[in-house]
Amino acid sequence: AQKITQTQPGMFVQEKEAVTLDCTYDTSDPSYGLFWYKQPSSGEMIFLIYQGSYDQQNATEGRYSLNFQKARKSANLVISASQLGDSAMYFCAMTEGDDKIIFGKGTRLHILP
Amino acid sequence: DTAVSQTPKYLVTQMGNDKSIKCEQNLGHDTMYWYKQDSKKFLKIMFSYNNKELIINETVPNRFSPKSPDKAHLNLHINSLELGDSAVYFCASSRRQGTFHPDGYTFGSGTRLTVV
Repeated sequence: AQKITQTQPGMFVQEKEAVTLDCTYDTSDPSYGLFWYKQPSSGEMIFLIYQGSYDQQNATEGRYSLNFQKARKSANLVISASQLGDSAMYFCAMTEGDDKIIFGKGTRLHILP
Repeated sequence: DTAVSQTPKYLVTQMGNDKSIKCEQNLGHDTMYWYKQDSKKFLKIMFSYNNKELIINETVPNRFSPKSPDKAHLNLHINSLELGDSAVYFCASSRRQGTFHPDGYTFGSGTRLTVV
């Protein structure tokens, strides 16, 4: 069963607008971590932001913030003031047990000039 | 200095051949992983090693054999390559197994394997 769901296979956004990438997850673990990764066309996986399940505040890293709604099991990524260089695949990921992280299918984001 | 380095970056080979992909990390991490990214960009874990010990072996054909000579290295050997093995293979590392660190996993740049 899919445990990380990213419902937006692709998005087009005008430059300088804010973007929200959706992610919902399913877990029975009381403690878990949530991540977002960016994969540009060059192919590398770039870590963006992390949210622990017990963290009271939403994580922020520069223009990235994670809108964590624990009761709804959602962990949306918000990118403020989008830039052309934000065009990439974005993956939501979650810890599974102690051993690994699992990924959603990704959202391809296109920033339009 | 590259934190997680994989070689080669590209690998084109014929069906039936045997090939290896090497991975090294200089982050002092205890745990290393191999992930496979298919043509639809889906990332799936294959193996993980914690301090040279195999921890995770997902449902992967026996033709794939990881080897970890020390905790800084995790190599992937593939026997009798098939067309369906074509994918991007990512090595990754993380701090101690069982800890959720805000740094997450650090990935290598990937190896694009094409089997013809």
